Amino acid sequence: ETGVTQSPTHLIKTRGQQVTLRCSSQSGHNTVSWYQQALGQGPQFIFQYYREEENGRGNFPPRFSGLQFPNYSSELNVNALELDDSALYLCASSWYGTPPTEAFFGQGTRLTVV
Amino acid sequence: GQQVMQIPQYQHVQEGEDFTTYCNSSTTLSNIQWYKQRPGGHPVFLIQLVKSGEVKKQKRLTFQFGEAKKNSSLHITATQTTDVGTYFCAAVPDNYGQNFVFGPGTRLSVLP
Repeated sequence: ETGVTQSPTHLIKTRGQQVTLRCSSQSGHNTVSWYQQALGQGPQFIFQYYREEENGRGNFPPRFSGLQFPNYSSELNVNALELDDSALYLCASSWYGTPPTEAFFGQGTRLTVV
Repeated sequence: GQQVMQIPQYQHVQEGEDFTTYCNSSTTLSNIQWYKQRPGGHPVFLIQLVKSGEVKKQKRLTFQFGEAKKNSSLHITATQTTDVGTYFCAAVPDNYGQNFVFGPGTRLSVLP
């Protein structure tokens, strides 16, 4: 077990709806990164949060947004859902360092958009 | 955007055979990590490489970082059925902060 928990584990939404996914980071970690993993592909970086600020963003539109809270837990919000948003959403927590430290992934949220 | 390639996409081996996956980037990397993801699971950290030409070993696994810091490899000696899964490299290109770019992965099947 990594100590990183995500909720919910599975979710079905209708196209156009909004969704919020949650992640509790491992104790002692101050950085959370979110990834989208389509079936059979590698995780695609969405964004990273460090000290409650966005600290880098991948090639995702503004309808993907996030938050990090003082306890370092995080949320991923997706507005105006599209069918192509169906994927496994992974969060990974780590301790901010140079070079980057080991990331611990949660089990993921499987989102299906119909 | 930044891209990291991995070959092969799939590899089927007989138990006891060796396995190697390669990770390549067109740009210099500041560091690279390797992860393993079992079917239905989440990525699990294996190793991080930072220095040019670095070689690290973990039991039957050997990891290398190229001299030019543009490629890396993972070699498994005498595969076992427990090695089944997808192996991903995750690289940080120079001047890319701390944001990792994952390769598409190599899916390993081990036949008993």
